[in-house]
Amino acid sequence: NAGVTQTPKFQVLKTGQSMTLQCAQDMNHNSMYWYRQDPGMGLRLIYYSASEGTTDKGEVPNGYNVSRLNKREFSLRLESAAPSQTSVYFCASSESMTGRHTGELFFGEGSRLTVL
Amino acid sequence: QQQVKQSPQSLIVQKGGISIINCAYENTAFDYFPWYQQFPGKGPALLIAIRPDVSEKKEGRFTISFNKSAKQFSLHIMDSQPGDSATYFCAALASTGGGNKLTFGTGTQLKVEL
Repeated sequence: NAGVTQTPKFQVLKTGQSMTLQCAQDMNHNSMYWYRQDPGMGLRLIYYSASEGTTDKGEVPNGYNVSRLNKREFSLRLESAAPSQTSVYFCASSESMTGRHTGELFFGEGSRLTVL
Repeated sequence: QQQVKQSPQSLIVQKGGISIINCAYENTAFDYFPWYQQFPGKGPALLIAIRPDVSEKKEGRFTISFNKSAKQFSLHIMDSQPGDSATYFCAALASTGGGNKLTFGTGTQLKVEL
């Protein structure tokens, strides 16, 4: 049971380069999320997708784009990477975003990105 | 704007001791308060959660205490073990009208020493 799978696990980019982080979940969850984790800042929501076909901005969306490719996959793209985007990125999924059963997020193991 | 404030940033506890991590919030629409545990190199995982209709929830050595009037909640780890060494995040969610997005605290790095 893979859960949430992220690729790549590590990536080094030069300023201005672009890249896409891939995420896939096998739990038939409706909602998916991208977070970034920085020391002393906790987990901050970049973008989320409440259901297939929808995406919305989170707390820190600038410099990122997302695509909900299908129910399983949610990708995060950096069009022109900046050193401020050096971070650990986590994809997560949940059963839904409605009602009282929204609490548990299932996270991937993270993608560590360094922008030089 | 930090909607969920967490303290301390780091904590060292002796084996067998009690670890206490505190969180405070402002948004009275929050109605679900989970704690996530994260080991190095892994993603966070749900540890325990509480809704505001109860003041305490216990699961094994882990207890959440919730004070609705003070808008505070805390995680207590009894008989702390070296295997509990991890980063702990509190979080809060408003299930209606809040977009159903978890807001996380800044995390507490716990180290349990022998």
